Amino acid sequence: DVKVTQSSRYLVKRTGEKVFLECVQDMDHENMFWYRQDPGLGLRLIYFSYDVKMKEKGDIPEGYSVSREKKERFSLILESASTNQTSMYLCASSSRGRVKNIQYFGAGTRLSVL
Amino acid sequence: GESVGLHLPTLSVQEGDNSIINCAYSNSASDYFIWYKQESGKGPQFIIDIRSNMDKRQGQRVTVLLNKTVKHLSLQIAATQPGDSAVYFCAETNTGNQFYFGTGTSLTVIP
Repeated sequence: DVKVTQSSRYLVKRTGEKVFLECVQDMDHENMFWYRQDPGLGLRLIYFSYDVKMKEKGDIPEGYSVSREKKERFSLILESASTNQTSMYLCASSSRGRVKNIQYFGAGTRLSVL
Repeated sequence: GESVGLHLPTLSVQEGDNSIINCAYSNSASDYFIWYKQESGKGPQFIIDIRSNMDKRQGQRVTVLLNKTVKHLSLQIAATQPGDSAVYFCAETNTGNQFYFGTGTSLTVIP
C-alpha cells in the first residue's frame, strides 16, 4: 500500500518562527510536491522536486523554501512564519513519466501561525 | 494560467441515489485527469483517472466521463452511500507531472 507520511498533523507556531514540515514517501517516487489548501482556493502548488537536490518553484513559492537531500524525503521550510501562512499543507508524490502519474497525498499538516 | 473549476460547491443526495459531480477545465492541451476524494481531516485519495484518448472510464461504483469538445469532466457515483460524503475535486495535467486542481464539491449523503 502506498504511503506518504507527514510528520505532524497539527502545528501551532508564532509569527517569525522558522517552521519545518517534513514529508516521507515509501514508493521510491521521483517526484514530490508541496501544496497548501485554503477554503475556496483549492490546492495551490508551492514547490516541487523531480529528483534529489532538485527543486522547482510552483505557483506560490514566496515565503517558502524546500529541501530534498534524499529521494524519499521532501521538506518544506517557512523561513519566518507569518499569519497568512496559516493553512493546510499537503505533500504528494508521484512516479516520473507519462504512463502513470497519480499523485499520492499525505494526511496533511494543519498549521496555525499566531 | 490554467483554471479548473467545479460547477457546484455543494451537493446533497439521498442514500441510494446516483451522484453527479461536474468539473470544467480550460486548457485544451490537458490530456490526463484525476478525480480525488477528500474526507474531513484526511488527505486527498485517488478515485479514478482518465486519459484524453478516452471518453469514459468505469471503476467500482464510479464512472468518469470526459467531453473534450466542451472541456468538461464529470464523476458519477452509483448508489451513493453515507461513506461517500466528502469533498471531491478534479485535477488536470498536460505535462504528466504538474497538476492543476479544482476547488472541490462537497457531497453530503442524506440517510
